[in-house]
Amino acid sequence: DAGVIQSPRHEVTEMGQEVTLRCKPISGHNSLFWYRQTMMRGLELLIYFNNNVPIDDSGMPEDRFSAKMPNASFSTLKIQPSEPRDSAVYFCASSSRRGPRYGYTFGSGTRLTVV
Amino acid sequence: AQTVTQSQPEMSVQEAETVTLSCTYDTSESDYYLFWYKQPPSRQMILVIRQEAYKQQNATENRFSVNFQKAAKSFSLKISDSQLGDAAMYFCAYQVGNNRKLIWGLGTSLGVNP
Repeated sequence: DAGVIQSPRHEVTEMGQEVTLRCKPISGHNSLFWYRQTMMRGLELLIYFNNNVPIDDSGMPEDRFSAKMPNASFSTLKIQPSEPRDSAVYFCASSSRRGPRYGYTFGSGTRLTVV
Repeated sequence: AQTVTQSQPEMSVQEAETVTLSCTYDTSESDYYLFWYKQPPSRQMILVIRQEAYKQQNATENRFSVNFQKAAKSFSLKISDSQLGDAAMYFCAYQVGNNRKLIWGLGTSLGVNP
């Protein structure tokens, strides 16, 4: 099992540009989570999907952020337009059908820098 | 509000010694699950240990064990025989019932001195 795969690992972009982060969850996992990590705010849950359906997007900061999960093996988090305050590490995590109580498996994260 | 408090932003331990990281949480629920995650410099978040609130027995995983005090809402992590590879950020988190969200602490940075 290759684990949760995120790409790119690093992204540097200019303010105003569109940024797309990608995630491939573990095969057979039915829940997927997008997190943002900053020094000031720690880990913040942005959105999570269950069986490819968005369940709770209350953590999405504003309309500039959107997430999709077109199938069980792929999800994207898009920021358009990007701003310097979006600079953070973005994590994707997935959990099995047994439920998150058994823990999440995280990807390696994407470090986003908006200049 | 549901919160997790890790009162020690930074800690250090000598190699081969034992260290305890503290965590307290606040929930009115009775059915919940507690976790410790490790985040080394590589950035990968790794599940270290988990505990079901309904179990009185403290969870153990090799050199890692917890001291779960339900009444005090305390969930500390003990690392025995510390190794250089244990140096990392450690996050405490809990999940209530079937809610898919984890509530996270701000982390404790652990250094291991050779």
